[in-house]
Amino acid sequence: ETGVTQTPRHLVMGMTNKKSLKCEQHLGHNAMYWYKQSAKKPLELMFVYNFKEQTENNSVPSRFSPECPNSSHLFLHLHTLQPEDSALYLCASSQAGASASYEQYFGPGTRLTVT
Amino acid sequence: GESVGLHLPTLSVQEGDNSIINCAYSNSASDYFIWYKQESGKGPQFIIDIRSNMDKRQGQRVTVLLNKTVKHLSLQIAATQPGDSAVYFCAENKGDYKLSFGAGTTVTVRA
Repeated sequence: ETGVTQTPRHLVMGMTNKKSLKCEQHLGHNAMYWYKQSAKKPLELMFVYNFKEQTENNSVPSRFSPECPNSSHLFLHLHTLQPEDSALYLCASSQAGASASYEQYFGPGTRLTVT
Repeated sequence: GESVGLHLPTLSVQEGDNSIINCAYSNSASDYFIWYKQESGKGPQFIIDIRSNMDKRQGQRVTVLLNKTVKHLSLQIAATQPGDSAVYFCAENKGDYKLSFGAGTTVTVRA
């Protein structure tokens, strides 16, 4: 579809679990993003990686830990989450650069439920 | 502070009619705006974008209008079809390749 894949698509975890979300982009982009999407709220930017370097941490609690091993892969490590962290987590990528568009390409998201 | 918002959270439209979705923004320095469509179970998908040096841009059945005087953005969908039922988001460029999104308008197409 969009060239950005996310796994798993659905995840149910307890508050004491540790899990990881994975994102992979096949578009040759150099920037990747994590967003949180909750019902009735705008998309919340969590983290930005530009050329594998984290350039934004939007006051996200430390129970969310991102990892970007290369420009094609992005992970979000989760531990000791709270029920209010239940949401759709979206990954996106874009091509940053002087002549690039600002368009971001989104994956299908991981629907996370914390019990 | 900066914010992007949509005027109405929901819009119901008869199939075949034109749809207009509105968005207000507060940062007069924003130079780029984009509309996304999100269908159930999917991530947001690009519809159309516009830079601040333009007032209007047309795509296939969609038109985006930008009024910088009143900081207003709109998306017009011609001859709305059932497949147009989705949530529509506007977003503005925040700098450093980051976008700021509005809350979304849910469009429902009536047969």
